[in-house]
Amino acid sequence: DTAVSQTPKYLVTQMGNDKSIKCEQNLGHDTMYWYKQDSKKFLKIMFSYNNKELIINETVPNRFSPKSPDKAHLNLHINSLELGDSAVYFCASSQGQGAVEQYFGPGTRLTVT
Amino acid sequence: GESVGLHLPTLSVQEGDNSIINCAYSNSASDYFIWYKQESGKGPQFIIDIRSNMDKRQGQRVTVLLNKTVKHLSLQIAATQPGDSAVYFCAENQAAGNKLTFGGGTRVLVKP
Repeated sequence: DTAVSQTPKYLVTQMGNDKSIKCEQNLGHDTMYWYKQDSKKFLKIMFSYNNKELIINETVPNRFSPKSPDKAHLNLHINSLELGDSAVYFCASSQGQGAVEQYFGPGTRLTVT
Repeated sequence: GESVGLHLPTLSVQEGDNSIINCAYSNSASDYFIWYKQESGKGPQFIIDIRSNMDKRQGQRVTVLLNKTVKHLSLQIAATQPGDSAVYFCAENQAAGNKLTFGGGTRVLVKP
């Protein structure tokens, strides 16, 4: 019954590694997002996809590559992980682009050592 | 640059009292202002929004006030309960921008 799910919930890895985070929504929404929340709880959008098409890319390093195989999935692959990538990453979905009501997943806490 | 921000990082409130969370914004072109609640270990959850042409909107135990003259947004929670303990974010939306811009968050701690 989970509306927006992410895996894994925790991810601990070393600098230089490549990792992926997966997101799925079963709400039938047409838009999905990735947000990054830093240690001070500041929440910032990274990407948004509408019907599998990239809509927003907020000057995120190209080490981050989102992929949307279908409307219900939006994955995030990160290459050459750096210490500064440590954060909580949230996936979200909505009906319509930039909708005021977005449904967030539980988050993936990424720790880079 | 234009931004959405909060006055108070932490608010302690007695159970049963009313809470007021404040937010200042600088983007006059925003179409909607929104409040989200984030409980510990969870993702943010939509609470309520207000369109820029309104000055007040009420929900269940919550009221959002918008003062465009001073670019100020507030969220009032009536009869605060322990379950209201969370971090609250204000956000703004421009229809043309296709995205939400979040403020820095205020932590609300409800004391029994």
